[in-house]
Amino acid sequence: AQSVTQLDSQVPVFEEAPVELRCNYSSSVSVYLFWYVQYPNQGLQLLLKYLSGSTLVKGINGFEAEFNKSQTSFHLRKPSVHISDTAEYFCAVTSVSNDYKLSFGAGTTVTVRA
Amino acid sequence: DAGVIQSPRHEVTEMGQEVTLRCKPISGHDYLFWYRQTMMRGLELLIYFNNNVPIDDSGMPEDRFSAKMPNASFSTLKIQPSEPRDSAVYFCASTDRTINTEAFFGQGTRLTVV
Repeated sequence: AQSVTQLDSQVPVFEEAPVELRCNYSSSVSVYLFWYVQYPNQGLQLLLKYLSGSTLVKGINGFEAEFNKSQTSFHLRKPSVHISDTAEYFCAVTSVSNDYKLSFGAGTTVTVRA
Repeated sequence: DAGVIQSPRHEVTEMGQEVTLRCKPISGHDYLFWYRQTMMRGLELLIYFNNNVPIDDSGMPEDRFSAKMPNASFSTLKIQPSEPRDSAVYFCASTDRTINTEAFFGQGTRLTVV
């Protein structure tokens, strides 16, 4: 089975400052990793995904994440946030051979202040 | 495509009543997932289907919960009888594993049982 730990439940940040959201996963098999964003009263939208290849993955809205196999991490970053980035962010993992059932972290709430 | 469509968006019901949540997956997708989101437990996978067949329902909390997928374009999640602790946001997601590796989520149904 796979599991995900998001190390920060809430991250306040000022507009135009950088942000990093930390995600660690646990799995004994090869995995796919995802970051989803949930805006208030909305469904989940994919930000980016890691399947294989380059460990630095770029996503939508200026976000990027780096896969680190040795540290079993998949941290999300954005160099300069906007007020509109205020949302909840979920890290998720699935094993390659597990019908792609997603296991989600508890979520990180990002609040961007002017 | 309009994306994954869920109905209703909001449902308020009295304890003991039957509740039916509906989902229309993206056309052509062969996997359908039902998730539940609560503050206490986060995002949990309840059940998923492949080609309309239930594959894993180990996440269904109790016998009061049931799910069906009578055809490729429609699924229901039923709770009978409903209880206040069933109050949550229920998400439906779909994907086509031959093309995509991520799940596409609906807007969710916010269920309140009073």
